[in-house]
Amino acid sequence: EDQVTQSPEALRLQEGESSSLNCSYTVSGLRGLFWYRQDPGKGPEFLFTLYSAGEEKEKERLKATLTKKESFLHITAPKPEDSATYLCASQAGTALIFGKGTTLSVSS
Amino acid sequence: GAVVSQHPSRVICKSGTSVKIECRSLDFQATTMFWYRQFPKQSLMLMATSNEGSKATYEQGVEKDKFLINHASLTLSTLTVTSAHPEDSSFYICSASAGSTQPQHFGDGTRLSIL
Repeated sequence: EDQVTQSPEALRLQEGESSSLNCSYTVSGLRGLFWYRQDPGKGPEFLFTLYSAGEEKEKERLKATLTKKESFLHITAPKPEDSATYLCASQAGTALIFGKGTTLSVSS
Repeated sequence: GAVVSQHPSRVICKSGTSVKIECRSLDFQATTMFWYRQFPKQSLMLMATSNEGSKATYEQGVEKDKFLINHASLTLSTLTVTSAHPEDSSFYICSASAGSTQPQHFGDGTRLSIL
């Protein structure tokens, strides 16, 4: 069964304290691995798509990487405005399979 | 770019009422639209996938007669929750994609509360 597991469930960081979020996936025929950001009471906001192992993408303080079994979202020198829930999703067919997310809190 | 608008953002109504939620892609044509349901601290759960002009494909366990989906144009899909009951209370989110190789872009969700 296709599955996406994210860890940790929650992460508290001080402003400027870099860290990584993990997304483990088991899916047959991965077509894409997606990262989204979700703020409370809002829909997910698209961040990145990764297609093959070894691929990396960056956007401001975020960098996403992909291996054959995992993806990491690295956050460098986070700011309070980076506080949100980060969702990972895998795509085999047309549908996305989401993890439960990592809720990141960054304090100043 | 890639803006998806969902309306209404919040609905509170009595048990037995039918509720319609609209999802529009504002600046692109969405060949496929998706409807999700999200419970607190849980994953987004796909309810159904719809392609313009075709019948929606429902996920296992989702009642198609209760959750009516219409995708009449490349920019509009609607979800109607018929005869809603308190157990239907949830956060419903739509997404739209311009193609199978394109990412899904999400609306801001509808918080449905059935009294």
